[in-house]
Amino acid sequence: TQLLEQSPQFLSIQEGENLTVYCNSSSVFSSLQWYRQEPGEGPVLLVTVVTGGEVKKLKRLTFQFGDARKDSSLHITAAQPGDTGLYLCAGARGSNYKLTFGKGTLLTVNP
Amino acid sequence: NAGVTQTPKFQVLKTGQSMTLQCAQDMNHNSMYWYRQDPGMGLRLIYYSASEGTTDKGEVPNGYNVSRLNKREFSLRLESAAPSQTSVYFCASSDRGQGAGGYTFGSGTRLTVV
Repeated sequence: TQLLEQSPQFLSIQEGENLTVYCNSSSVFSSLQWYRQEPGEGPVLLVTVVTGGEVKKLKRLTFQFGDARKDSSLHITAAQPGDTGLYLCAGARGSNYKLTFGKGTLLTVNP
Repeated sequence: NAGVTQTPKFQVLKTGQSMTLQCAQDMNHNSMYWYRQDPGMGLRLIYYSASEGTTDKGEVPNGYNVSRLNKREFSLRLESAAPSQTSVYFCASSDRGQGAGGYTFGSGTRLTVV
């Protein structure tokens, strides 16, 4: 059973377009993180959200944690080719040291 | 540069051979992790070490062993490699429990078992 479902699995858009990717679960998480992974590299942390309803902005990226702390979204405004990569969400539960990762959304931004 | 260093970056093994993947972090993090990443499967936890001196199984531990050599180093050993262990392996570390401070990943080891 996949605890974190990400959608869409693949997304190909043109430079300048806006997009939203989703991370959903039936479980409650104490915190949720978003990572971006480029080909041949390890994932890199973008943001951590911990409070239900929290919204964080990182330049053109906006992250939201659902009120019930079961889901999250990542919105990118005016996408650029440099945004291309695999976007992963990961959730932490209780006092567990382990993060659970979704399978990711592979984003391609075409010039 | 501070971070997580994995060696080797690439490796080809024959079925039945053994090898150890090395991982070291210089951020004084308490917790370290080994994941494998396969197409369509995402990142799956193999083993983790919440703190120096402790190790625990993750989601897919069969066929692997680990050693937390000291606070900096966490190695992953394949005793008898199988083609199903062909994958990209990532080591990660974190400062606090629950990965609350976020994970720092290495750049991965690409392993092929033939």
